[in-house]
Amino acid sequence: DAGITQSPRHKVTETGTPVTLRCHQTENHRYMYWYRQDPGHGLRLIHYSYGVKDTDKGEVSDGYSVSRSKTEDFLLTLESATSSQTSVYFCAISPGAGEENEAFFGQGTRLTVV
Amino acid sequence: DQQVKQNSPSLSVQEGRISILNCDYTNSMFDYFLWYKKYPAEGPTFLISISSIKDKNEDGRFTVFLNKSAKHLSLHIVPSQPGDSAVYFCADARGTLIFGTGTRLQVFP
Repeated sequence: DAGITQSPRHKVTETGTPVTLRCHQTENHRYMYWYRQDPGHGLRLIHYSYGVKDTDKGEVSDGYSVSRSKTEDFLLTLESATSSQTSVYFCAISPGAGEENEAFFGQGTRLTVV
Repeated sequence: DQQVKQNSPSLSVQEGRISILNCDYTNSMFDYFLWYKKYPAEGPTFLISISSIKDKNEDGRFTVFLNKSAKHLSLHIVPSQPGDSAVYFCADARGTLIFGTGTRLQVFP
């Protein structure tokens, strides 16, 4: 299995508080992604990174920010958590795009905003 | 932008029979598609891929077919096994991975 670790695995937080989720990889892959999974929506891309300090928005980026200061770490921050951000969050990594885009996923972080 | 759509949210198949999961896409340019499988409380895992220069790709019990004129791909699982019960996602991998909404497959004895 690809070396991807998400932390924490579960978190309950209050509305309005900031929350940071961490994704750590040991594969030295260039691309890292954050997705959220919700019933009826499948997996939706929040943000992604194509290198250190190189990030871009996905389709559901509002209310989220990311940072990648090292190849191995990709942080997702909910600036002020809302109940609509209750979800399961997945980090993924891939060596490249196109035919090198067979991404590997972490185990997920279940976030509940109360 | 590419969109991939999985119009069947669920599928129930008897063990030993064929499971066919479908996915439609909108972009007609060169593309690369992936199928992922997801069990509850786990991350998705890569299953099989196909490039738009091919019509078919096979890996054991799993075969993916690409119909470019209909902009349609399908995943065939033969024979289906209870352990195949999971949610299956198709994804467009031309740029960032864009996923469909998934199809929940249940294989019953």
